[in-house]
Amino acid sequence: EVQLVESGGGVVQSGGSLRLSCVSSGFIFGDYDMAWVRQAPGKGLEWVSHITRDGSATNHADSVKGRFTVSRDSAKNSLFLQINSLRVEDTAVYYCARGLYSTVTGGFCYWGQGTLVSVSS
Amino acid sequence: QSALTQPRSVSGSPGQSVAISCTGTSSDVGAYNYVSWYQQLPGKAPKLLIFDVTRRPPGVPDRFSGSKSGNTASLTISGLQAEDEADYYCCSHAGSYTWVFGGGTSLTVL
Repeated sequence: EVQLVESGGGVVQSGGSLRLSCVSSGFIFGDYDMAWVRQAPGKGLEWVSHITRDGSATNHADSVKGRFTVSRDSAKNSLFLQINSLRVEDTAVYYCARGLYSTVTGGFCYWGQGTLVSVSS
Repeated sequence: QSALTQPRSVSGSPGQSVAISCTGTSSDVGAYNYVSWYQQLPGKAPKLLIFDVTRRPPGVPDRFSGSKSGNTASLTISGLQAEDEADYYCCSHAGSYTWVFGGGTSLTVL
């Protein structure tokens, strides 16, 4: 069974940093591209970051570019999101996600339960 | 990276069919056959209903179907059931490892 478990969220002041983690199980982590998607309280979904299966290519939404960095460690079956220079508008539940197949191009099939990041001013 | 446009709410009676539209641009929905749809219940993670415009993952009932014409994609739910009451989101690949979601549609089963 595919499982994704996020951690690392919390309450942080504006300008602070956090490192989110997503531990995977039930599949060969290194065979799959991965992504982060966030959802602000009462708002819609927003794609945040993507990383290829070998970690050679990454991309981030314009709203977080230069502040967020996605990475992965296949030896630890883990995906990470380093979040710097946090803003109040970054307050959201952060989900890690995987596609049904090796890419996520067509859609995000498997999701974690999410970890809440709350930024205070 | 502007959000795709969805109606804020739709409604229907049990047994009826409802359609939710998702309008993008020639750079996302119109450019790729990579539109997906999600159902989200309160407090839960999204659930994939449709991927690659028309395909259903294992376990998703065939009451859910997807289509696309030009820059607009649609999700149709037939034989509406009370348990279908939820928020629905569309998403499109937008090239160069980027994705864009719609603003979400709240479905009410009357």
